[in-house]
Amino acid sequence: DGGITQSPKYLFRKEGQNVTLSCEQNLNHDAMYWYRQDPGQGLRLIYYSQIVNDFQKGDIAEGYSVSREKKESFPLTVTSAQKNPTAFYLCASTPSRDYYNEQFFGPGTRLTVL
Amino acid sequence: AQSVTQPDIHITVSEGASLELRCNYSYGATPYLFWYVQSPGQGLQLLLKYFSGDTLVQGIKGFEAEFKRSQSSFNLRKPSVHWSDAAEYFCAVGRQTGANNLFFGTGTRLTVIP
Repeated sequence: DGGITQSPKYLFRKEGQNVTLSCEQNLNHDAMYWYRQDPGQGLRLIYYSQIVNDFQKGDIAEGYSVSREKKESFPLTVTSAQKNPTAFYLCASTPSRDYYNEQFFGPGTRLTVL
Repeated sequence: AQSVTQPDIHITVSEGASLELRCNYSYGATPYLFWYVQSPGQGLQLLLKYFSGDTLVQGIKGFEAEFKRSQSSFNLRKPSVHWSDAAEYFCAVGRQTGANNLFFGTGTRLTVIP
């Protein structure tokens, strides 16, 4: 079955450590996105990539980094510079950069900083 | 600037009752509008979308939504709610410059009582 996988489902890290969240899709989609979800705030865009080897900052990119070396993979690193990293992180993809495409979402990773 | 407002944080309905979830958007041109549903700890699933044409759109799971340009609204409705509809619902508008990502509302949590 085609879809988006995110791993791990739950992630714990100590304050001051970097951590990488995985996002893989086998839908052959060009564009991929990372969102952060906090209670009562909806989803906010962190980074997006419309093509391999290219990515752009979203609305809340500070303290995060990404790479897009392969079409099917878009990992997100939460760095120690992110002041409040505890949140639910969602990865999404669309077939192309055209704005009328719906976004397909992965199951999410819940990150907790101890 | 684009924005989406979901005025109801939490709604409780009885099973079998009708449902209407409100969504208001701010956008200068014809918007691309979406409703997503999220079960606890899961990713988002698309219920329906509006791009153009008929202002009443049908979605999955018996949901429908009506686009009203004069009111800048895109309310979600269901004539008879089932216990399995309990979830969080997000309205979103497509960002039409730069990234093909979505602006999300803050969500409405639906509780269904027997």
